[in-house]
Amino acid sequence: ETGVTQTPRHLVMGMTNKKSLKCEQHLGHNAMYWYKQSAKKPLELMFVYSLEERVENNSVPSRFSPECPNSSHLFLHLHTLQPEDSALYLCASSQEQNTYEQYFGPGTRLTVT
Amino acid sequence: GNSVTQMEGPVTLSEEAFLTINCTYTATGYPSLFWYVQYPGEGLQLLLKATKADDKGSNKGFEATYRKETTSFHLEKGSVQVSDSAVYFCALSVSQGGSEKLVFGKGTKLTVNP
Repeated sequence: ETGVTQTPRHLVMGMTNKKSLKCEQHLGHNAMYWYKQSAKKPLELMFVYSLEERVENNSVPSRFSPECPNSSHLFLHLHTLQPEDSALYLCASSQEQNTYEQYFGPGTRLTVT
Repeated sequence: GNSVTQMEGPVTLSEEAFLTINCTYTATGYPSLFWYVQYPGEGLQLLLKATKADDKGSNKGFEATYRKETTSFHLEKGSVQVSDSAVYFCALSVSQGGSEKLVFGKGTKLTVNP
């Protein structure tokens, strides 16, 4: 595997379910990001991790819980989501925090029913 | 605040047509400007960048010039191909609270027909 991978690619979940999104980067980067991409809206930065420490949380509801066990892996744990949380969730990584050159994964298309 | 406005899509062109996707920005300070591209089923990729006024970024036949006087960074290509069909995102990077942040536009979907 090369680059940034995300699993699953598609996920349908009910509002009472608990699920997790996984991101893995094979680029040797030190920073990882979660973005939310909704139709007709700009990409929204959700979380930033640098050297496995969360350095940014952009007022994201607590029903989204990130985890970064090491510099290659990033998770987004989901519970009691709302239908408006349906979106494409993109993971990205960069060599360091504070760089614009981010490498994105293909995303997980989440549908909350 | 910092924001990016790009033309609403979708944009549909025939192969070999000229492409312009408009992008304007509002920023405090001196931003760097970028175009990212998202091909179907893939993540965003950095297409080109310009870090100061009057810089021209270019890649794969695409160009964009950083115009400070008009706060614009329009994307152009002289002759599009079917393989250019994708969503294009204009973005800026500003220093905020000691860190760089990427601010994206909403994206413009381009479809190129043979």
